Amino acid sequence: LAKTTQPISMDSYEGQEVNITCSHNNIATNDYITWYQQFPSQGPRFIIQGYKTKVTNEVASLFIPADRKSSTLSLPRVSLSDTAVYYCLVGARMSYGGATNKLIFGTGTLLAVQP
Amino acid sequence: DVKVTQSSRYLVKRTGEKVFLECVQDMDHENMFWYRQDPGLGLRLIYFSYDVKMKEKGDIPEGYSVSREKKERFSLILESASTNQTSMYLCASSSSPGDGLYGYTFGSGTRLTVV
Repeated sequence: LAKTTQPISMDSYEGQEVNITCSHNNIATNDYITWYQQFPSQGPRFIIQGYKTKVTNEVASLFIPADRKSSTLSLPRVSLSDTAVYYCLVGARMSYGGATNKLIFGTGTLLAVQP
Repeated sequence: DVKVTQSSRYLVKRTGEKVFLECVQDMDHENMFWYRQDPGLGLRLIYFSYDVKMKEKGDIPEGYSVSREKKERFSLILESASTNQTSMYLCASSSSPGDGLYGYTFGSGTRLTVV
């Protein structure tokens, strides 16, 4: 699984757009890019996943350049409740069983949203 | 609502005790995982299982064992608890094959303190 690098922390204010960039220079051809969100005292939860270009859902957008060596999670108009740790993960669709079948987390980015 | 349920939110155990952490999922998922989360280290995979009675070591299996006798239940066992096993423990599950990094569901965690 490819290693990822993210900023340790970011600060923002309510109503602003927040962009969190993740670097994954060794991404493989069949790897997907996935972001998870974790609130204090809870387990991580899936936010968004993409392979290339742009993906948007009701929560966030994910921008992936053509070389796929980085990606940017964009959170529009954040609120206090978006304060959380955001994890970027890179890996392939898993095969049936086996060692590829697992998530590898880094330390994530702590986003602190202030009033 | 689909769920991964961890039996305890908080546990305090003494050094040398045998500790059982229980996790149950109601989604008929094949794959189940145990992570521990520590400040500055992110989530680290301890063990995972892709089928009943099947298990594989993750990145930090030392001092732990697991049991999966039924599809819905995955237990983490600390054979002789030590203070360096004080941590937040997170259980997760996912279906197989084909989900990749998408579709992992986490429990709310068990905060274990070993004194």
